[in-house]
Amino acid sequence: SQKIEQNSEALNIQEGKTATLTCNYTNYSPAYLQWYRQDPGRGPVFLLLIRENEKEKRKERLKVTFDTTLKQSLFHITASQPADSATYLCALPQSGGSYIPTFGRGTSLIVHP
Amino acid sequence: NAGVTQTPKFQVLKTGQSMTLQCAQDMNHNSMYWYRQDPGMGLRLIYYSASEGTTDKGEVPNGYNVSRLNKREFSLRLESAAPSQTSVYFCASSEVSAGGLEQYFGPGTRLTVT
Repeated sequence: SQKIEQNSEALNIQEGKTATLTCNYTNYSPAYLQWYRQDPGRGPVFLLLIRENEKEKRKERLKVTFDTTLKQSLFHITASQPADSATYLCALPQSGGSYIPTFGRGTSLIVHP
Repeated sequence: NAGVTQTPKFQVLKTGQSMTLQCAQDMNHNSMYWYRQDPGMGLRLIYYSASEGTTDKGEVPNGYNVSRLNKREFSLRLESAAPSQTSVYFCASSEVSAGGLEQYFGPGTRLTVT
């Protein structure tokens, strides 16, 4: 099964800066990768999905890249705001051909005003 | 459109007691899932149901049973609760057959077993 690594240390940045979160995976290369946001005391919320043939995907201030050679995805939030403070989870299929995701442990982002 | 709903929101059980966590979705999704989330462990899949009438074990099924009551509802039962089952439980749904890989989560049930 897939092993996912996300930085367990919180990322602290100043408002207005770009936040960059990393998701590394081992084993096989997935057909797609997802990013979710989780606020304290709430369930995760889907943000973006990027497929293996897409190098980059954007949605408003969010940008995701997917490097299958490095086995890594980067999640960027530009012009960050305190409201962006949350835990961000990376998710990949459990195995080749599976639609069931394995989730990373998440990285906490704290945006300071 | 409520999305995914879960009841109860909070529950305290004594060791050995049983309970059922309820989950319902109104998005007409075929697939439903139960996860538990523990500090430092991330989300772990307990059971899932690919479609009405089917259920399969996930990564951590021991101590749990599930029932896919109909397309909308998927319940999780703890027959004899143990302190190790203290966790936050999330239900989720997705519509894989229509190409929808993203999951929609409920608000969670916070369970404490003493």
